[in-house]
Amino acid sequence: DAKTTQPTSMDCAEGRAANLPCNHSTISGNEYVYWYRQIHSQGPQYIIHGLKNNETNEMASLIITEDRKSSTLILPHATLRDTAVYYCIVRPNTGGGNKLTFGTGTQLKVEL
Amino acid sequence: DAGITQSPRHKVTETGTPVTLRCHQTENHRYMYWYRQDPGHGLRLIHYSYGVKDTDKGEVSDGYSVSRSKTEDFLLTLESATSSQTSVYFCAISGAGLITEQYFGPGTRLTVT
Repeated sequence: DAKTTQPTSMDCAEGRAANLPCNHSTISGNEYVYWYRQIHSQGPQYIIHGLKNNETNEMASLIITEDRKSSTLILPHATLRDTAVYYCIVRPNTGGGNKLTFGTGTQLKVEL
Repeated sequence: DAGITQSPRHKVTETGTPVTLRCHQTENHRYMYWYRQDPGHGLRLIHYSYGVKDTDKGEVSDGYSVSRSKTEDFLLTLESATSSQTSVYFCAISGAGLITEQYFGPGTRLTVT
């Protein structure tokens, strides 16, 4: 699976958009980009995934660059409850189960 | 929330004792996974199952075994616990599709003294 690079930490003011970047320059054509988050001491929570088109759901938007070498997760109006570690994961759409390889992610702190 | 429970939620055990952690799902999902999480590391896959009696190793499988005799239950066993297995253990489930999200349980905090 392609390796991802994320900033260690980021801060965001409540009510503002949080833009979390992820670099995956070695991504291959059949690999999807997934985002999960982990609120302190809880199990990770799925947020969104995409292949090459931008995606949006009730939690967030995912913007993938045209060359697919990087992506940005956008939380449009961050709240204190969005404080969490955010993981960007790249994996292929092949068999062997939906195994995920987690890195160390980005610690997002949303402040008043 | 997805119907996933883990038991026990907390356990303290001594080095050399066997330990079994249980993951139970009510979603009838095909895939089940066991991960461990340690400070400074992301989650690391221990074992996973792609059906009843069908399991495979993950990234950090040494010292662990698993069993799945029913769709809803996935057991993780530490045959002889060591202090290096002190960790938080998460179970996850996912559907049969290739592009499906994983749902995680609440975790089990295991301390081996």
